Amino acid sequence: DAGITQSPRYKITETGRQVTLMCHQTWSHSYMFWYRQDLGHGLRLIYYSAAADITDKGEVPDGYVVSRSKTENFPLTLESATRSQTSVYFCASSESVNRGYGYTFGSGTRLTVV
Amino acid sequence: AQSVSQHNHHVILSEAASLELGCNYSYGGTVNLFWYVQYPGQHLQLLLKYFSGDPLVKGIKGFEAEFIKSKFSFNLRKPSVQWSDTAEYFCAVTDDNYGQNFVFGPGTRLSVLP
Repeated sequence: DAGITQSPRYKITETGRQVTLMCHQTWSHSYMFWYRQDLGHGLRLIYYSAAADITDKGEVPDGYVVSRSKTENFPLTLESATRSQTSVYFCASSESVNRGYGYTFGSGTRLTVV
Repeated sequence: AQSVSQHNHHVILSEAASLELGCNYSYGGTVNLFWYVQYPGQHLQLLLKYFSGDPLVKGIKGFEAEFIKSKFSFNLRKPSVQWSDTAEYFCAVTDDNYGQNFVFGPGTRLSVLP
């Protein structure tokens, strides 16, 4: 299922460093999303994008920055990584947010901040 | 704000046992409902979805779910589980006003013993 790819799969970084997680989709889906998955919290939305150059905050945006200069790419940047940002990050895309359209998820990036 | 609860944090069953995972949401308007499954080490995959019509929805791998509007519920069922069903299951909801934002439940971990 190569339609949506995330890189890297695993990343270890130090506190205070900037790190960027990449997300690329090949379907030209309008909507893209970043979630973090933590034990006991399920998935929480960080940022989403409705189209190129249109982004908006989700439930837990603090400490993260996104951009969407091209429809197919939606990178997530941790400006100054903290240990609380250790998590599994999932990117997702959707053709539409109209009724019945689900998300397609990437394989995730496991980020450890030491 | 929309919220989703899942009744069980961890369910342990033997093979061939019947499964029912509970999901309740808080929003009283028109909703779209989804169940996603995450197998160990993998990304989330759509099991089934409901957005209109027959409240009994059939999904992949023998799963089904029933939407009961009066109870704000969307429980997932399978008559006979297999060891390969061991995974984490997430209920998710969107509503017509905020369809771009899936609200996920915290997840239920299912362990099926051979």
